[in-house]
This record gives sequence, structure tokens and C-alpha cells, in this order.
Amino acid sequence: QITLKESGPTLVKPTQTVTLTCTFSGFSLNSNGVSVGWIRQPPGEALEWLALIHWDGNRRYSTSLRNRLTISQDTSKNQVVLTMTDMDPVDTATYYCARGGVRGILGYWGQGALVTVSS
Amino acid sequence: DIVMTQSPLSLPVTPGEPASISCRSSQSLLHGNRFNYLDWYLQRPGESPQLLIFLGSNRASGVPDRFSGSGSGTDFTLEISRVEAEDVGVYYCMQALQTPYTFGPGTRLEI
Repeated sequence: QITLKESGPTLVKPTQTVTLTCTFSGFSLNSNGVSVGWIRQPPGEALEWLALIHWDGNRRYSTSLRNRLTISQDTSKNQVVLTMTDMDPVDTATYYCARGGVRGILGYWGQGALVTVSS
Repeated sequence: DIVMTQSPLSLPVTPGEPASISCRSSQSLLHGNRFNYLDWYLQRPGESPQLLIFLGSNRASGVPDRFSGSGSGTDFTLEISRVEAEDVGVYYCMQALQTPYTFGPGTRLEI
């Protein structure tokens, strides 16, 4: 059974850096063709793709946020970590991680983690 | 970045009736391997998104056969043959031909 779960702070202050962790089970990020990505959704708004990391370590980022994002993996812990710097109230959103294939096919999603940015 | 658009943005339907959602991309999603890298997702109220259709027309595991995807290149359609109450939510298309992946704005299906 494949599961993913996001964790991290629920409240951060403007300009702070947030670290979100996706802990998964039921698959290995070392397996050929597997990827894990992050997607966010501001309250009442649409989904926004943020970043992904492939089984081979290849990383891809959102064009508008690439300067603020870092995605990494801890294979031994079955975790993928997303770091976002210089948080702003407009970054308030539910952050999801999802397991995908070589291209897309986000077949498994976590429950999401709401991050609120406020002073 | 590839821009995704959807229409309509809101779709009132009657149970038992068909429904259709259109998705268009600013660039062709047809890869040289002849696959269209277009996924459809449903986000029910209060839930995480779930994969419905991948590669334009392939139903994900467990997805009822009343859902079907079609199209190629820049124009795609998600069809529900007979809408049921559990189909309420927001439907998103997403292109995965190239990163950054991009989602459409979503279509809210309501009964």
C-alpha cells in the first residue's frame, strides 16, 4: 500500500524559511521511473505545481519560484524535503506531495499540510 | 511554460446526464513517442486530488468507466457518460510533457 504524508510547521512568519517533509511508504524513490513532487493550493484557489525529484536525483522547479525552492531526498528515511525561503502571506496554502512517474501520472497524494504565513 | 485553459469553469449538471469538460494547452502535448502527456484529476470537497485519466485517455486504477478522456495535441476532453452525486468537485487537467508541469484553472462540477 502506497502512502504519503506531509509534515511541517502550520504557522510561519513573513521572510522565514519553511521546511516541509513528505514521508512515504510502499515504494522506493530509487526505483526507475519514480518521482515525488510538491503541489500547493491556496485557500479556494487552483492547484499549483512546485517541484519534483526523480529516481535518478534529477530536480525540476516552478519557473516563478525556482529561486526560493529546494527539493531533496533522504532515501534512507523514505522522505522528500521541500524548502521554501522568504515566505510571504501569499504563500499561505495547503502543500501536497504526490508520487508520480517519469512524466506526470500523480497517482498517489498525501493528505496535504496547511501552512499559514502571518506575523 | 505551457499554459493550460479549461472550459467551462463551472458546470451545473443533473444526475444521470452526461457532462463534458474541455482542456486546451498553449503547446502540443504530443510527444515523439506518440503519447499525449495530459492528466485529469478530480478534487472532491475537502479531499486531496485523485488521478482520473493519464496519457490523455487511460483511466487510472479504480476509476469508473463512465469517465473517459480523449483528444490529442492541444485539445482534450473529459467526459462523464452519466453523472453521479459522488462526481461533484473540481476537475483539473495537467500537462506533463515538460517541466514545470502546469495545471488548468479547474472546472467546478455541481449538481
